[in-house]
Amino acid sequence: DTEVTQTPKHLVMGMTNKKSLKCEQHMGHRAMYWYKQKAKKPPELMFVYSYEKLSINESVPSRFSPECPNSSLLNLHLHALQPEDSALYLCASRRVGTDRNTGELFFGEGSRLTVL
Amino acid sequence: GENVEQHPSTLSVQEGDSAVIKCTYSDSASNYFPWYKQELGKRPQLIIDIRSNVGEKKDQRIAVTLNKTAKHFSLHITETQPEDSAVYFCAASGSGTYKYIFGTGTRLKVLA
Repeated sequence: DTEVTQTPKHLVMGMTNKKSLKCEQHMGHRAMYWYKQKAKKPPELMFVYSYEKLSINESVPSRFSPECPNSSLLNLHLHALQPEDSALYLCASRRVGTDRNTGELFFGEGSRLTVL
Repeated sequence: GENVEQHPSTLSVQEGDSAVIKCTYSDSASNYFPWYKQELGKRPQLIIDIRSNVGEKKDQRIAVTLNKTAKHFSLHITETQPEDSAVYFCAASGSGTYKYIFGTGTRLKVLA
């Protein structure tokens, strides 16, 4: 199984809503990532979890709240978002080696978020 | 922090011609350099990668070269085909970090 599965594929929410994006992988990868991608732009790193602990937070606003309940799951909780937060949110995972750098990021298909 | 510059931002080639995309990185600790292809509405997918202990790597029509001294690496696609049309991203990552920084992307159009 080399799949990273993200749900939902599409999400429309108002600025006062609370919603969550979910990501799941069963490849035994112990590093999991959230990226935000706007149209015609590269993926922009938001958070990295390694061994279920938050390793990197790229100064993301607190209206985005990540969670890693176990080694297979990664959530992104959304609250009080702004229209400019509309984007494709990509989850990715990769194997962790002794130098923390062992290659390929496997991406999910993404969750396309629209904030009204 | 790490920064990856990518050029050109758009590239149009005739079918059968070669395409070259170049990236420059800033962090000398970077030691892993992948290239991703992202088709419209799809996820980025790895097409080739290279580590800092290797100067060149080839896989059929695609190749990547690395110049550590100059801190740049390039993607070469030969005999381009219409299905090569996509956005290509380079990236860089370093030992001892989970950071994985993408270049700004190149939109490649292969004209039939």
